[in-house]
Amino acid sequence: DTGVSQDPRHKITKRGQNVTFRCDPISEHNRLYWYRQTLGQGPEFLTYFQNEAQLEKSRLLSDRFSAERPKGSFSTLEIQRTEQGDSAMYLCASSLDQGQVGYTFGSGTRLTVV
Amino acid sequence: AQTVTQSQPEMSVQEAETVTLSCTYDTSESDYYLFWYKQPPSRQMILVIRQEAYKQQNATENRFSVNFQKAAKSFSLKISDSQLGDAAMYFCAYRRNTGNQFYFGTGTSLTVIP
Repeated sequence: DTGVSQDPRHKITKRGQNVTFRCDPISEHNRLYWYRQTLGQGPEFLTYFQNEAQLEKSRLLSDRFSAERPKGSFSTLEIQRTEQGDSAMYLCASSLDQGQVGYTFGSGTRLTVV
Repeated sequence: AQTVTQSQPEMSVQEAETVTLSCTYDTSESDYYLFWYKQPPSRQMILVIRQEAYKQQNATENRFSVNFQKAAKSFSLKISDSQLGDAAMYFCAYRRNTGNQFYFGTGTSLTVIP
């Protein structure tokens, strides 16, 4: 286990289509986070899981977005009825504790909605 | 609300020279953590250095050090003996001690000139 892996690396989709991204955290990490990063901006928090429980959601996470973490292992982020404004890099991160030593980030999934 | 401000969108430094990246933040909390992350082009974010707010001593990691001024809410990163591999986007981030999300600045793009 060498780090946080995200799949796919790139996704191009037509407006209105649904997309799903996957994140595999470091195996012993019980905390998992999703962030969104648009061009020229820093990452913005979307949601947080501790084990399988989704404990925190940002107001950025509209009802078109849903995230799951079954069995407290990998996580998926689904965007329904994609819009051009959803185009961004979606970053996943994991940590063992509350993040005192920082997260370990994945390489991200770059979504382009055309 | 917590906000993180990086006022330098771009910086450049000659190889082997020293550069300082600025970061200020706004919070009403007294206990929190501050971080600098490095994001090379098309690569994942990597933790560079972290600082606990309750510690007066500035953190140091090899060529990277911080100047933490709690009263001024300032957290600058100094990179000594700059190397070509230091070229990246640098993000300053804040997290409350009891919080789960990080608040990131907009980043500073660092160019290292050979």
